[in-house]
Amino acid sequence: QVQLVESGGGVVQPGQSLRLSCAASGFTFSSYALHWVRQAPGKGLEWVAVISYDGTNKYYADSVKGRFTISRDNSRSTLFLQMNSLRPEDTAVYYCARDEVLWRSFDLWGQGTRVTVS
Amino acid sequence: DIQMTQSPSSLSASVGDRVTITCRASQSIHTYLNWYQQKPGKAPKLLIYAASTLQSGVTLRFSGSGSWTDFTLTISSLQPEDFATYYCQQSYNTPYTFGQGTKLEIK
Repeated sequence: QVQLVESGGGVVQPGQSLRLSCAASGFTFSSYALHWVRQAPGKGLEWVAVISYDGTNKYYADSVKGRFTISRDNSRSTLFLQMNSLRPEDTAVYYCARDEVLWRSFDLWGQGTRVTVS
Repeated sequence: DIQMTQSPSSLSASVGDRVTITCRASQSIHTYLNWYQQKPGKAPKLLIYAASTLQSGVTLRFSGSGSWTDFTLTISSLQPEDFATYYCQQSYNTPYTFGQGTKLEIK
């Protein structure tokens, strides 16, 4: 079925790195831009980054710019988020989400993966 | 960055009530406004995009309106499954900011 499945979360110490993955199935992965969105415990949603359908364009929230890198492998239908120099304030559930294209709404979400920096 | 401000932050209502949540953008976003519903421990779900277009499969109890800077989400007759947190989001430009959320609770 059409779905996104995140993995790679865990507990790390400040300053360490982590790589999240988001595996897609059931749709033409290479046709869609994709986003990472995070949610700190008890808080609202925060957009993190977006990558275009072909990987050529990437944009980041100021809070992660220079530390996080979004990438994709269209041959494997997988989205990645490389997170370096992690801080306690990066603690959150990280969701990947598909960009609907025309209006850039997020029409498909994964179940989320939890990252704890402590 | 475009700031999104939702009101109220929380709301108590009863089954069958009609409720309205508002969202204001700090600058014009035309109709690049989306609404999401999130239940505890679950991923957000897209309800409405382009300010007023109902996402496929979403009940007609939900409707959206507005343009430029002011938007509303209306639930016509609350059902038990509607009690959740609702977020607006602008997709006009990056960063794609969300409102702070409106928690809808049972009275």
